[in-house]
Amino acid sequence: QVQLVQSGAEVKKPGAPVKVSCKTSGYIFTNFGISWVRQAPGQGLEWMGWTSAYNGNTNYAQKFQGRVTMTTDTSTSTAYMELRSLRSDDTAMYYCAKTVPFCGVDCYPDWFDPWGQGTLVTVSS
Amino acid sequence: QSVLTQPPSVSGAPGQRVTISCTGSSSNIGAGYDVHWYQQLPGTAPKLLIHGNKIRPSGVPDRFSGSKSGTSASLAITGLQAEDEADYYCQSYDSSLSASVFGGGTKLTVL
Repeated sequence: QVQLVQSGAEVKKPGAPVKVSCKTSGYIFTNFGISWVRQAPGQGLEWMGWTSAYNGNTNYAQKFQGRVTMTTDTSTSTAYMELRSLRSDDTAMYYCAKTVPFCGVDCYPDWFDPWGQGTLVTVSS
Repeated sequence: QSVLTQPPSVSGAPGQRVTISCTGSSSNIGAGYDVHWYQQLPGTAPKLLIHGNKIRPSGVPDRFSGSKSGTSASLAITGLQAEDEADYYCQSYDSSLSASVFGGGTKLTVL
């Protein structure tokens, strides 16, 4: 079955970077994308961006541009999300999700299924 | 403020029918982009409930149904059960933002 297994919880100081991994199995990695979605405590879901495992193209939400990098390693079917210059309001659960792309002239992320179990990132001095 | 607007909460008694609305604009739902729905049980990751406006993935009970019209979409749950108590999110794509967008989420309480 399709599985996405994320790395463990992280505690970081303000200003530091964090890198979260998402190891996938059970499907052809390069046929889909990986999106990253975060959820602050008690809040809703926030899409951060996605990467196409096919060609490595990325698209980040404007809010995170310049501070986030999403990559994939096709040899291990693993996706990574690095967020830099962490602030206290980056404290959240971070999810990866297998993303079905919709491709016309360009591709955009359509729906997300399944999701990883989440990685709690706590930013505290 | 979320790009897609959902009611913060809905409630219903066991066996009843409830609907959750998701209102967008001409750059997302109204532009023809599909709407997808997710269920998030307490303390767990979101789970896909409906994709492509009305398609239920395998394993999702037919008590859940989706629809879309104009700049809005709806999720209907019939025969409400205690296990349906969760947060529900709609999601689509916004061409102005070049980004996927979520609704703010709706908390369903089964009375």
